[in-house]
Amino acid sequence: SQQGEEDPQALSIQEGENATMNCSYKTSINNLQWYRQNSGRGLVHLILIRSNEREKHSGRLRVTLDTSKKSSSLLITASRAADTASYFCATDEDNRGSTLGRLYFGRGTQLTVWP
Amino acid sequence: DAGVIQSPRHEVTEMGQEVTLRCKPISGHNSLFWYRQTMMRGLELLIYFNNNVPIDDSGMPEDRFSAKMPNASFSTLKIQPSEPRDSAVYFCASSLGEGGKAFFGQGTRLTVV
Repeated sequence: SQQGEEDPQALSIQEGENATMNCSYKTSINNLQWYRQNSGRGLVHLILIRSNEREKHSGRLRVTLDTSKKSSSLLITASRAADTASYFCATDEDNRGSTLGRLYFGRGTQLTVWP
Repeated sequence: DAGVIQSPRHEVTEMGQEVTLRCKPISGHNSLFWYRQTMMRGLELLIYFNNNVPIDDSGMPEDRFSAKMPNASFSTLKIQPSEPRDSAVYFCASSLGEGGKAFFGQGTRLTVV
């Protein structure tokens, strides 16, 4: 089944530093999404990038997508302790031009930001 | 809108018992997903409904699991009989349109002893 895989599995940085997480996937997609999960909570949508887009920004978040390499990256600039969470990428599946609607998640990157 | 509502938040049950998890999606959303999250397997897609119709249940682990969506505002995931290896956090999510932004509930933490 189609799934994104995040890298690294865990990332530990100091407040103020930038955090970069990567996601690789296997087949064609219509869009790729990034989600955040705080411990014990549900996932929260952060940003969606379509397959015809290369870069997208939202506040301190910057997402890139390289469909030729089947990879995406999430950059969090000027990180804060409150950014500590697990971050997941999610992909749909492009089946001959139409999405099948399924949304697959990777195993996530655990980000810890130390004050 | 209150978001996706799941109940119960926590469930502890004995092996062999029937467990029913409930989900109320966001009003107007036409896609609903059930996921299971464990440390070992991550976030697994169990079943996906579109317009109340099950589109893909290939992720349902075995016949002990069943899911229904009798109307646009309610879905259930049932496990009968439950086993200790079913212990996990079960999430329901809904979205508007296929492949769109998904909204997650707070999850049900199931413990089967």
